[in-house]
Amino acid sequence: KAGVTQTPRYLIKTRGQQVTLSCSPISGHRSVSWYQQTPGQGLQFLFEYFSETQRNKGNFPGRFSGRQFSNSRSEMNVSTLELGDSALYLCASSRFLDSTDTQYFGPGTRLTVL
Amino acid sequence: KNEVEQSPQNLTAQEGEFITINCSYSVGISALHWLQQHPGGGIVSLFMLSSGKKKHGRLIATINIQEKHSSLHITASHPRDSAVYICAVQPFYGGSQGNLIFGKGTKLSVKP
Repeated sequence: KAGVTQTPRYLIKTRGQQVTLSCSPISGHRSVSWYQQTPGQGLQFLFEYFSETQRNKGNFPGRFSGRQFSNSRSEMNVSTLELGDSALYLCASSRFLDSTDTQYFGPGTRLTVL
Repeated sequence: KNEVEQSPQNLTAQEGEFITINCSYSVGISALHWLQQHPGGGIVSLFMLSSGKKKHGRLIATINIQEKHSSLHITASHPRDSAVYICAVQPFYGGSQGNLIFGKGTKLSVKP
């Protein structure tokens, strides 16, 4: 079974631009969560989707948004990029929202904002 | 003060040593996760605990809900165990799998 895939793996953008990152969950998984990892703040929860609905959102500005499609693939978008948005963006998938279900993480997209 | 605190931040051990990483949290939780992150970024979920103790190979995780504390033990450590170990809690108010609060991680280096 293929794991969680994220595209692109690396991305360089300039301030003010926008970016879209993609996450394909493991087949059969309906829950996708997104996280941001920076050296200063560590890992932080961005949002969680289940069956095309955003179920939870972390404490990030409205420039960060996401969506989930009917095939469970998810995208996140960051508009008006700032230098501080440089980070590793990880997504994780699980079958359900159940807290007993294991999450499987993708390899991440490393975003650099110049 | 962070809601999830890990200690130590960095740990160097000799191959074969017994290793303990600690995690303390201040919020009410429905589950606690231990994650492993290797250089390059890939994260693997090691354990999910809501009570008691779990064992997988050389890894043991325990949690004390009353004391809001968890430990991850590695027996007979090996250089391939070198990684960052991250504790994450699922708060009661979150109510879902993905809404996690993370510790800053413990960087473990095991020397041959």
